[in-house]
Amino acid sequence: NAGVTQTPKFQVLKTGQSMTLQCAQDMNHNSMYWYRQDPGMGLRLIYYSASEGTTDKGEVPNGYNVSRLNKREFSLRLESAAPSQTSVYFCASRGYKGSDYGYTFGSGTRLTVV
Amino acid sequence: QQQVKQSPQSLIVQKGGISIINCAYENTAFDYFPWYQQFPGKGPALLIAIRPDVSEKKEGRFTISFNKSAKQFSLHIMDSQPGDSATYFCAARLYNFNKFYFGSGTKLNVKP
Repeated sequence: NAGVTQTPKFQVLKTGQSMTLQCAQDMNHNSMYWYRQDPGMGLRLIYYSASEGTTDKGEVPNGYNVSRLNKREFSLRLESAAPSQTSVYFCASRGYKGSDYGYTFGSGTRLTVV
Repeated sequence: QQQVKQSPQSLIVQKGGISIINCAYENTAFDYFPWYQQFPGKGPALLIAIRPDVSEKKEGRFTISFNKSAKQFSLHIMDSQPGDSATYFCAARLYNFNKFYFGSGTKLNVKP
């Protein structure tokens, strides 16, 4: 029972390089999300996908693109990385956990842009 | 503009004490309020949640208190243990948009 799996766990990029963060969930959830976490800022929504075939911008979408490849997979792409994108990135899917409803998060990708 | 305001930013509690973390919101369209617990190097994990038609929900040592008129809710950790040391986030769901907004987090340190 893996839940939400993110790869890679760590990445260092040079300014201007591109990369794709991968996310997959095995809980048959419809909705998936990408958040970034910065000290003192909490979790900020980058993009989300309410269902397969749809994507929408969140609070901080600039500099990112996403692809909902199928129901299981939701990727985040940085086309031209900037130091301001140094952060911890979390993918999540939304559904029930026991009697409560909310997100199941992956373990995160720690990205450093130099 | 932060939709959900969380305090304190950090909290130190002795083992066996009560930890209290507070959150406030303005948007009356929020309809669901979960709390998440995050250990270092891990993703946040859903801890407990409450709907606004209920004033209190308890699960083991964790209790959410909800004050709809004041637009505030809080997490109480009774008999706090060193293993509870983590960062806690409150959140609120905007029903029509099915989005969750998070507080800025509280780092809890329970001293043995």
